[in-house]
Amino acid sequence: GENVEQHPSTLSVQEGDSAVIKCTYSDSASNYFPWYKQELGKRPQLIIDIRSNVGEKKDQRIAVTLNKTAKHFSLHITETQPEDSAVYFCASNRDDKIIFGKGTRLHILP
Amino acid sequence: SAVISQKPSRDICQRGTSLTIQCQVDSQVTMMFWYRQQPGQSLTLIATANQGSEATYESGFVIDKFPISRPNLTFSTLTVSNMSPEDSSIYLCSVERATLNTEAFFGQGTRLTVV
Repeated sequence: GENVEQHPSTLSVQEGDSAVIKCTYSDSASNYFPWYKQELGKRPQLIIDIRSNVGEKKDQRIAVTLNKTAKHFSLHITETQPEDSAVYFCASNRDDKIIFGKGTRLHILP
Repeated sequence: SAVISQKPSRDICQRGTSLTIQCQVDSQVTMMFWYRQQPGQSLTLIATANQGSEATYESGFVIDKFPISRPNLTFSTLTVSNMSPEDSSIYLCSVERATLNTEAFFGQGTRLTVV
């Protein structure tokens, strides 16, 4: 079945700097790659997603890149702010299901 | 976006008992899913709740332990049976729009503690 690997597990960046989280997937049939943000005690919320027919997508300070050949995709957060501190999950689809990576705990340092 | 109501939001249960978690969606959806999120961990898919047929379980999860109902296109229940402390976790229901966009929306989760 689909396997999604995510790293790093923990990431600390200075406020204002950029953060990058990387994921790889195993199923070449996967064509949908969402990223979720989960704040403490809350449900996961979709922040950005990308489909296999594009290589990059951007939404304000957040961007996602996809390399289908290498089966990896990345989340980029620029000009990080304190409210970016959370756990981020990458995911990919397997048939009709969404399979999640293990998560990255992002700390924004003052 | 879909609005998902999940209840209870939390419960503390005695080992050996069962708890049924309900998930109500404000619109008809084809796919409903149940996930488990253990403390500090990722989301693990338990099963897909299919309307009109038995749920489809992921490896490591069985119907006897996690029976699921899906009586219509807006509602599903997950029961955690014969609970032990290892079942202490957050359980989340999720729906996806079965269209080109497969974005998943989550209920607020049920925090279960088994004592």
